[in-house]
Amino acid sequence: AQSVTQLGSHVSVSEGALVLLRCNYSSSVPPYLFWYVQYPNQGLQLLLKYTSAATLVKGINGFEAEFKKSETSFHLTKPSAHMSDAAEYFCAVSDQFAGGGNKLTFGTGTQLKVEL
Amino acid sequence: DAGITQSPRHKVTETGTPVTLRCHQTENHRYMYWYRQDPGHGLRLIHYSYGVKDTDKGEVSDGYSVSRSKTEDFLLTLESATSSQTSVYFCATGGRNTEAFFGQGTRLTVV
Repeated sequence: AQSVTQLGSHVSVSEGALVLLRCNYSSSVPPYLFWYVQYPNQGLQLLLKYTSAATLVKGINGFEAEFKKSETSFHLTKPSAHMSDAAEYFCAVSDQFAGGGNKLTFGTGTQLKVEL
Repeated sequence: DAGITQSPRHKVTETGTPVTLRCHQTENHRYMYWYRQDPGHGLRLIHYSYGVKDTDKGEVSDGYSVSRSKTEDFLLTLESATSSQTSVYFCATGGRNTEAFFGQGTRLTVV
C-alpha cells in the first residue's frame, strides 16, 4: 500500500520568506505525485504534479517541487511567501488502477500561516 | 472546478436516516471518486468509479454505497447515517492518467 507523510501539521513563515513544506512517500511502483492547495471552505486545487518526466516540477503561484527518488521525497517550495499563500496544502501519491484511473492517497495536510 | 457540482452543499441529518449526496460533472470524465476529509486524516477514498455501472471500494467504504447510472452523475449513499460519518465529502473526477479535479465539497453533520 502506498502512503504519504507530511512533516509538520502547521508551518508559519514571514511574508517574503522561503516556504518549505515536506512530503515523503512510499510506493512499490514509480509514483505519480501531486501537491494540492485548499483555501477555507473550498475544494482542492492542483498546484503541481510529477509524472516521471522532469524531477523539478514547476506549478502555479510560484511553487515548485523536486522529486528525489533516493530520499522518497517530494518537498514543496516557494522562494518568497505571500499573504495569499496561507492555506492548507496536501501531498498525494497516485495508485493507478487498471484502465488508467488514479486513486489518490493523501497526507494529513500542512496548514501554512504567513505572518507580516 | 472542472465543471463539478456537488449537492447539497450542507446537510444536517439524524442518526439512522439514509442520506444521498450527488456529484454531477460536465467534463465527460471517465473516472469519478468520493473522498471524505477529516481533521488529522487528510482525504480518504470511499468509493470510485471507472465507468457507468463500474464501481469499486476505497479505503473507508463501510457504511457507504455508490451508484453511477450515467457518465455525469455519481451518487454516494449513507445507508444509515452515524455520527462517525459527520465529515466533509468531496467528489473528484479525472480522465485517463490525469490529475483529479475536485468539487466544492458537501458538509454533512449527523446528529
